[in-house]
Amino acid sequence: AQSVTQPDIHITVSEGASLELRCNYSYGATPYLFWYVQSPGQGLQLLLKYFSGDTLVQGIKGFEAEFKRSQSSFNLRKPSVHWSDAAEYFCAVGLILTGGGNKLTFGTGTQLKVEL
Amino acid sequence: DTGVSQNPRHKITKRGQNVTFRCDPISEHNRLYWYRQTLGQGPEFLTYFQNEAQLEKSRLLSDRFSAERPKGSFSTLEIQRTEQGDSAMYLCASSLGDRAEAFFGQGTRLTVV
Repeated sequence: AQSVTQPDIHITVSEGASLELRCNYSYGATPYLFWYVQSPGQGLQLLLKYFSGDTLVQGIKGFEAEFKRSQSSFNLRKPSVHWSDAAEYFCAVGLILTGGGNKLTFGTGTQLKVEL
Repeated sequence: DTGVSQNPRHKITKRGQNVTFRCDPISEHNRLYWYRQTLGQGPEFLTYFQNEAQLEKSRLLSDRFSAERPKGSFSTLEIQRTEQGDSAMYLCASSLGDRAEAFFGQGTRLTVV
């Protein structure tokens, strides 16, 4: 069965500093990978996704992620963090279901705090 | 496009009562998903519909849980005889097309007292 590990439960960075959130996955085939962000009391917003092709993917809000098959990783990066980026970030791997649906298995999340 | 809409946003119920949540997906999205998220955890998959057909159910979905999508549009999730362990955020998501990303609603937070 597929699984996702986010080793960092909490991360604190200063505004303007760079950010990297780690994600490792376990999956038998070529994975479909996602990063979502969740603000307090809100649903999940998709930041970016990887299905195939270029291993460096660009997302919204200046985020990017790099798929490294050899390391089973899909780390999220941002060169300069803004105070509004404070939220919880979830990495997920997708399993294709009957009929083409996408069943997501999420990690436990990384809570990002931004110091002004 | 108004996004995925879930109602109610919050529900407090007494143990043993039945509750029903509603999800309205993005218009024309043919796939609909339910997830459950407990405090400090990522969302966990519960069930999946393609149009009105329920194609996948997690073993997390006990006999007390039932989901429907009668006309392939909105969906309902009912929990019978609620237990304190059912307290969680219930998230609905929808997608269009094969392997497409899911768009999530804001969720319904259930508290069982």
